[in-house]
Amino acid sequence: QVQLQESGPGLVKPSETLSLTCTVSDGSMRGNYWSWIRQPPGKGLEYIGYMYFGGSTNYNAALKSRVTISIDATEKQFYLRLTSVTAADTAVYYCARLRFSYGPFDYWGQGTQVTVSS
Amino acid sequence: QSALTQPASVSGSPGQSITISCTGTSSDIPSYNYVSWYQQHPGKAPRVIIFDVTQRPSGVSHRFSGSKSGNTASLTISGLQAEDEADYYCSSYTSTSTDIIFGGGTRLTVL
Repeated sequence: QVQLQESGPGLVKPSETLSLTCTVSDGSMRGNYWSWIRQPPGKGLEYIGYMYFGGSTNYNAALKSRVTISIDATEKQFYLRLTSVTAADTAVYYCARLRFSYGPFDYWGQGTQVTVSS
Repeated sequence: QSALTQPASVSGSPGQSITISCTGTSSDIPSYNYVSWYQQHPGKAPRVIIFDVTQRPSGVSHRFSGSKSGNTASLTISGLQAEDEADYYCSSYTSTSTDIIFGGGTRLTVL
């Protein structure tokens, strides 16, 4: 049973960079796609992007210029970096395993609240 | 890429059946059998209840079923129970540069 846990700062200042870590337990990172999804307060889910263990990536076109997802398989962690944040980036951020590039998101972390405010 | 279109809310009484629709475009739902549905209770992470249009993960109740016709996918919940009250989201693979898109979500109220 794969378990995922997000960690990182809960408060980020406008124009700065949001950085989150997802730690993977009880499962291999090989052969899977590792992704991030966010949910603004009171709103729906928004796909951010994924990185395949082998290195390929896919990002939401609306965020692509600001997003980087990376993996450290030896640490069993993957990361989200979102630059030049604004209040619109305030959300609960989830990490999830994407079973294939086309879905589904079959394992999710519990989510971490990130607020963008000065 | 706009979100898939879902009704904002649906409701039903215990024991009844309800259906939630999810409408896409030629870039997603009608082109691929890669529609998933997620259930999210307040304050919790989503969990997948349907994938590949009709498939149920192990442990998901048989009361949940999925289907697709044209550019619309549907989630049907039969024998409604109080515990089904939650938000439901569809998602689909797309042929655009963004591989995956979500619907806006539907709040199910069990009366």
